[in-house]
Amino acid sequence: DTGVSQDPRHKITKRGQNVTFRCDPISEHNRLYWYRQTLGQGPEFLTYFQNEAQLEKSRLLSDRFSAERPKGSFSTLEIQRTEQGDSAMYLCASSLRQVYNEQFFGPGTRLTVL
Amino acid sequence: AQTVTQSQPEMSVQEAETVTLSCTYDTSESNYYLFWYKQPPSRQMILVIRQEAYKQQNATENRFSVNFQKAAKSFSLKISDSQLGDTAMYFCAAVLGTNSKLTFGKGITLSVRP
Repeated sequence: DTGVSQDPRHKITKRGQNVTFRCDPISEHNRLYWYRQTLGQGPEFLTYFQNEAQLEKSRLLSDRFSAERPKGSFSTLEIQRTEQGDSAMYLCASSLRQVYNEQFFGPGTRLTVL
Repeated sequence: AQTVTQSQPEMSVQEAETVTLSCTYDTSESNYYLFWYKQPPSRQMILVIRQEAYKQQNATENRFSVNFQKAAKSFSLKISDSQLGDTAMYFCAAVLGTNSKLTFGKGITLSVRP
């Protein structure tokens, strides 16, 4: 399978704990995106990378959120001191460099904060 | 503001019939890209169809076609010969700037009745 993969698929945590999610993009894709999707809503952009450089961060991405893409391959999204409002599906997507190119989405990581 | 609006929360269509899903957007950009994505229940998001704003011809992909009205900022999706497998949430999305991030509408739940 050469699609976008995300790990874990589900994460249940207690409020105040830290969590980290991983995304492995399609191998030749140099752009990687993180989105957050709450129930019944469309995905909202969080941040994106071109290779290892983080080029934009949404205002949704508070100081408790940090994302990295070391060596321009896989990416991690960490949420510190989780809150119940962080409960959502976190989607990763990758694409080739051109803006009009299709973004291929992973299956997502569903986070539940108790 | 750069927004994508889907005002219909849900629709239902009989198998083999045609259905049209509506979408409007707002942008001050002259060059942008529009997409329809499909998200089946508990499955990952996949691209259905794409339209470049500079192209006057409406995009088609097999049973899926769009009606792109640039002046009205309207981008509707027509599904012909609806199939049970078309049951899903459909999101209208757009790349409205140069950073390639997708802005999504709230989505519409489409149910195809046998």
